[in-house]
Amino acid sequence: DQQVKQNSPSLSVQEGRISILNCDYTNSMFDYFLWYKKYPAEGPTFLISISSIKDKNEDGRFTVFLNKSAKHLSLHIVPSQPGDSAVYFCAANSPYSGGSNYKLTFGKGTLLTVNP
Amino acid sequence: NAGVMQNPRHLVRRRGQEARLRCSPMKGHSHVYWYRQLPEEGLKFMVYLQKENIIDESGMPKERFSAEFPKEGPSILRIQQVVRGDSAAYFCASSPPREAEKAFFGQGTRLTVV
Repeated sequence: DQQVKQNSPSLSVQEGRISILNCDYTNSMFDYFLWYKKYPAEGPTFLISISSIKDKNEDGRFTVFLNKSAKHLSLHIVPSQPGDSAVYFCAANSPYSGGSNYKLTFGKGTLLTVNP
Repeated sequence: NAGVMQNPRHLVRRRGQEARLRCSPMKGHSHVYWYRQLPEEGLKFMVYLQKENIIDESGMPKERFSAEFPKEGPSILRIQQVVRGDSAAYFCASSPPREAEKAFFGQGTRLTVV
């Protein structure tokens, strides 16, 4: 069963515009959410995270929003740059990992292409 | 994240053979995590190890799969008697203690079972 869903396999935006990547989850027990970025032939790289006690976290051009009632989170990139072109994975942490965020469940990823 | 080294990058095995995947963590990292990405799916947690100790193997299949992280040398993920369904990308990540969410991932090993 896919507990973390990224329903858009790909997204294309113009340089300078906003990129919005979406993620839905089904397990209401998830308490910590993360976004990773992955370039071809590389492993995922941690980007930004958010705890379930917050609804927004911002880091430079990246902002993650969490809507717990809708079990939905999104990653906003403003302004988008060509170097942001990559696959973005949403991940959620199981609450059964003793507070250590390693037992992650990932979505399938969304390929973001930022056109110059 | 180039500091986490996985080898081989690609591994082809015939059904019934053994696959051994290696992961050398970043310098100073004592915690290792293995994830598997099946085709058309996201990464899924398999096992969490510290040196000479398995902390959590709840994501490991019950049979044929084992993992170790010896005092010296890389962490090894071992798959015995591989089947076609084991074909996947296997990622290793490492971190210092209590910083699992910021773990650095390796480039992965793509296992193909023919």
